[in-house]
Amino acid sequence: QVQLVQSEAEVKKPGASVKVSCKASGYSFINYGFTWVRQAPGQGLECMGWISAYNGNTNYAQKVQGRVTMTTDSSTSTAYMELRSLTTDDTAIYYCTRGPYYYDRGGNQHYYYYGMDVWGQGTTVTVSS
Amino acid sequence: EIVLTQSPGTLSLSPGESATLSCRASQSVSSIYLAWYQQKPGQAPRLLIYSASSRAVGISDRFSGSGSGTDFTLTISRLEPEDFAVYYCKQYGGSLYTFGQGTKLEIK
Repeated sequence: QVQLVQSEAEVKKPGASVKVSCKASGYSFINYGFTWVRQAPGQGLECMGWISAYNGNTNYAQKVQGRVTMTTDSSTSTAYMELRSLTTDDTAIYYCTRGPYYYDRGGNQHYYYYGMDVWGQGTTVTVSS
Repeated sequence: EIVLTQSPGTLSLSPGESATLSCRASQSVSSIYLAWYQQKPGQAPRLLIYSASSRAVGISDRFSGSGSGTDFTLTISRLEPEDFAVYYCKQYGGSLYTFGQGTKLEIK
């Protein structure tokens, strides 16, 4: 079945970087994009941005622009999200999920109506001195 | 950026009752880009409704979505104990997804 499995929890000091992985299985990796979403303790959902596994195109939220890099590795069907210059405000559960686009055999991009249909289990990142 | 405002913040109901959750957008949203999610404590969100009114695979027909433009509604009929959770609406504005702040559905 379609599955996204994320890396384990991380504890980081302010100013450090964290890299979270998301391994996909059960579908054709390069035919979809990945969106990263985070949720601070007791708070709602915040979209950080997305990356196309087909061509590497990215779009980052203004709030994390300049500190975040999203990448993919098709050889291992894994997506990555790296966040730098961490502060305590970055303490959150980080989720990977599928969307917002899928790519057909010709490489054409289409909005994926079922976007965010599959989620990783979440990776807790704690930033504390 | 389109802002989604959900109401009420908390809804207290009893099993067997019906719930009506609202999601209002700061500007018009195409229905195909509007979705609803359910999140239970300690779990990732789960897609319930996409394109404003289509149920995702495996979702009970007690869940229904409606609306257009700036006003969208999630209705849950005959509430069951497992329905008590937090519900989020979400839209895609052409560049990024944005979420409402959530409605907590709690047992009265």
